[in-house]
Amino acid sequence: DQQVKQNSPSLSVQEGRISILNCDYTNSMFDYFLWYKKYPAEGPTFLISISSIKDKNEDGRFTVFLNKSAKHLSLHIVPSQPGDSAVYFCAARRGNQGGKLIFGQGTELSVKP
Amino acid sequence: DTGVSQNPRHKITKRGQNVTFRCDPISEHNRLYWYRQTLGQGPEFLTYFQNEAQLEKSRLLSDRFSAERPKGSFSTLEIQRTEQGDSAMYLCASSSFGRGFRDEQFFGPGTRLTVL
Repeated sequence: DQQVKQNSPSLSVQEGRISILNCDYTNSMFDYFLWYKKYPAEGPTFLISISSIKDKNEDGRFTVFLNKSAKHLSLHIVPSQPGDSAVYFCAARRGNQGGKLIFGQGTELSVKP
Repeated sequence: DTGVSQNPRHKITKRGQNVTFRCDPISEHNRLYWYRQTLGQGPEFLTYFQNEAQLEKSRLLSDRFSAERPKGSFSTLEIQRTEQGDSAMYLCASSSFGRGFRDEQFFGPGTRLTVL
């Protein structure tokens, strides 16, 4: 049972344009969501997070939007840069005690110069 | 402190052999997690510790898998009688939880296991 889904395995974007990565979840008990970026031969790197009490969180070029009614979140990268090319994972967890993360399958972003 | 470290980075073993991986977390992080990642998938949770205590284990963690964190610092993950299906990247993460910290997990580079 895939509780967190990233339905687009890959995305290609021109440098300077907006990248939008999408993520859907099925478990309404999830209340904290994170995005990680992963380069080859490295572990995932934390990028940005959002609590379920918010619908938007922004950090520089990265903004995460949460639509709880649709059980959907998205990561916007503006403007996209070639160094953003990586695999992006959406993750979720439940409860305010932290704990395990449930990851999506990942979306490989390619930003072309 | 440069982050979470894992050793070895790569391990090739024959089916039926035992393997052990080590994870050194970021200093003073009280939580330590183990995940497994196979090709084309996101990391899957295996188990985690808060200090020395193992707080949760996944059903993925069969009897052949055991993890320890004896002094609340580094952790080891042992796989006994390895099978080809154990081939994966094993990721360790650490975090601070409590006293205002929100348990944001920082990952190591992983140990890639290949079982022949």
